[in-house]
Amino acid sequence: GQQVMQIPQYQHVQEGEDFTTYCNSSTTLSNIQWYKQRPGGHPVFLIQLVKSGEVKKQKRLTFQFGEAKKNSSLHITATQTTDVGTYFCAGRGGSNYKLTFGKGTLLTVNP
Amino acid sequence: NAGVTQTPKFQVLKTGQSMTLQCAQDMNHNSMYWYRQDPGMGLRLIYYSASEGTTDKGEVPNGYNVSRLNKREFSLRLESAAPSQTSVYFCASRREAQPQHFGDGTRLSIL
Repeated sequence: GQQVMQIPQYQHVQEGEDFTTYCNSSTTLSNIQWYKQRPGGHPVFLIQLVKSGEVKKQKRLTFQFGEAKKNSSLHITATQTTDVGTYFCAGRGGSNYKLTFGKGTLLTVNP
Repeated sequence: NAGVTQTPKFQVLKTGQSMTLQCAQDMNHNSMYWYRQDPGMGLRLIYYSASEGTTDKGEVPNGYNVSRLNKREFSLRLESAAPSQTSVYFCASRREAQPQHFGDGTRLSIL
C-alpha cells in the first residue's frame, strides 16, 4: 500500500532558527496536505498542494510539492515559540477518500 | 458551530470490556473517518465512511467495528478491549475535495 515517510522525527531549534521537514511518498500523489498539531491538541489543516512543482507561502511558512508529485517540504523561517507542535504531511493517492499520514515531525523551540 | 464533537474525552477500561466512541459533525460533510494516534506512529486510519450508508476498512481495522448511523454520526466500537488498543482516537470529517476537520480526540486507556 501507499506509504508516506517523513523526516526528521524530532527537531529542536533555538528561537529565530529555520526549520524544515520533508515528506516522501512511495507512489505518485494527487495532492498533499499539511497539518499542525499542538501538544495535547488535534491536527489542524494548514494547506493543500495539488500541482507539480507548486510552492505556497503562509507568512513564515513555505510549502513545496515536488515535480514528480512524490515529495513535499515545509520550511519555517525564523521560528517562534508559537511554532511548537507536530507537523504532519498527508498524501492522497489512488483513493479519493483516504489520506495517508506521515509519522510527523515534532518541533520544539527554545526561547 | 461545534464542528466535530467526540465523546467521551477520556475513558479507562478493563481488558475484555466493550465500549463505543461517539462522533458527530454538524458541517453536513459526506465523509467521516476514525484514526488512532500512538507515540511515534502518526495517525493511522481505522475505518472510514465515504458517504452515509457505506463503511470501509482502513489501515488498522482489526478489533474495531463502525456504524454510520446517519449523515452526522459515525461511531467506533471496541467489542473486547485489549491493552494494545490504548491510544488517542480522533474522528474527522470532510466535504468532497476539502481538507479534513478533526475532533478533540478520545484518550482511551485499557488496563
